[in-house]
Amino acid sequence: DAGITQSPRHKVTETGTPVTLRCHQTENHRYMYWYRQDPGHGLRLIHYSYGVKDTDKGEVSDGYSVSRSKTEDFLLTLESATSSQTSVYFCAISEKISYEQYFGPGTRLTVT
Amino acid sequence: DAKTTQPNSMESNEEEPVHLPCNHSTISGTDYIHWYRQLPSQGPEYVIHGLTSNVNNRMASLAIAEDRKSSTLILHRATLRDAAVYYCILITSGTYKYIFGTGTRLKVLA
Repeated sequence: DAGITQSPRHKVTETGTPVTLRCHQTENHRYMYWYRQDPGHGLRLIHYSYGVKDTDKGEVSDGYSVSRSKTEDFLLTLESATSSQTSVYFCAISEKISYEQYFGPGTRLTVT
Repeated sequence: DAKTTQPNSMESNEEEPVHLPCNHSTISGTDYIHWYRQLPSQGPEYVIHGLTSNVNNRMASLAIAEDRKSSTLILHRATLRDAAVYYCILITSGTYKYIFGTGTRLKVLA
């Protein structure tokens, strides 16, 4: 199994508070991705990174920011959480663009 | 973006082969066909991918139609552990866009 961990695995937070989710990999893969998964929508890409300090937006990036200061870590921040951001968040990695992606175990976030 | 169409759900008996279909009539020449599956409460898991030729690996086989407008994921002997949602995705070479859709929920009957 690819070495990908996500933390925290579960979080409950209040509307308006900032939240940071962490993805950590031990595979030294260049590409990292953040997705959210909601019933009826499948997985949707939030942001992705193609190298240290190199990131770009996905299809549902509003309300989210990311940072990647080291190859192994990719952080997803909700600056001011809203109830619509209640979801399961998955991190993924890939060695090259368009190659197979390997997913982490997910973080279940509830915004009350 | 090229789209895929999959049945919402399928059932199979344990230890029998399963053929999961996927239609992708708008596929372009640079699109790879990827399959992932997601077991309950887990992240998606890569299964197999191909471009034009049929592919085999330890998990499954991928059969691609000659015109590439459809493909079939074949699980040779379904087990209870294969119960999952299976996603067929088109990946355009050189892009990051993985559009997962809602997939096919496979139920395996003991």
